Amino acid sequence: DAGVTQSPTHLIKTRGQQVTLRCSPISGHKSVSWYQQVLGQGPQFIFQYYEKEERGRGNFPDRFSARQFPNYSSELNVNALLLGDSALYLCASSAHRGLAGGPSTDTQYFGPGTRLTVL
Amino acid sequence: AQSVAQPEDQVNVAEGNPLTVKCTYSVSGNPYLFWYVQYPNRGLQFLLKYITGDNLVKGSYGFEAEFNKSQTSFHLKKPSALVSDSALYFCAVRPRGTGGFKTIFGAGTRLFVKA
Repeated sequence: DAGVTQSPTHLIKTRGQQVTLRCSPISGHKSVSWYQQVLGQGPQFIFQYYEKEERGRGNFPDRFSARQFPNYSSELNVNALLLGDSALYLCASSAHRGLAGGPSTDTQYFGPGTRLTVL
Repeated sequence: AQSVAQPEDQVNVAEGNPLTVKCTYSVSGNPYLFWYVQYPNRGLQFLLKYITGDNLVKGSYGFEAEFNKSQTSFHLKKPSALVSDSALYFCAVRPRGTGGFKTIFGAGTRLFVKA
């Protein structure tokens, strides 16, 4: 079975540009989350989508947006890129959201990430 | 503020010796706890998780972790280290009541296993 896939692998942009990152979850998984991992730090939660709706958002500016498609794949968009946006962007998928609105106990499975460099 | 601390940036151990990677957290309630490993230029790989029940959790590749509620710790352990265990290890906490997958990660601990 294929794991979580992300594209592109690497990306170089300049300040002020816009970027779109893509993620395909494991087959059968309906939830996708996005994380930003700056060099030397742990991943920081950006978004979670379940059944095409945003279910959670971290402390990121409105320049960051995302969406989930009917096939459960997802895109992360970042506008007006800043140097500080340079990072590894990770996508994670899991089968379910939390039961009765609570946090899920399901394991998140991560993709290999997209390395974004902003010059 | 909710946080996860991995007090050691780096842990060095000889192959065949036991290893411990420490993790403490400051999160209200009884959060779910996870350990992930990251190899160079790769995403995170799931090792194990604690949801409820026995305080000693067994995971992949011979790793285990011990949950200590009073010390709010979730240390990762392995009885006999392998050179191939050398990687970056992340402790993560998922607070209850957030209604989703907002997982808080520690800054990571680099493990070096010397042959």
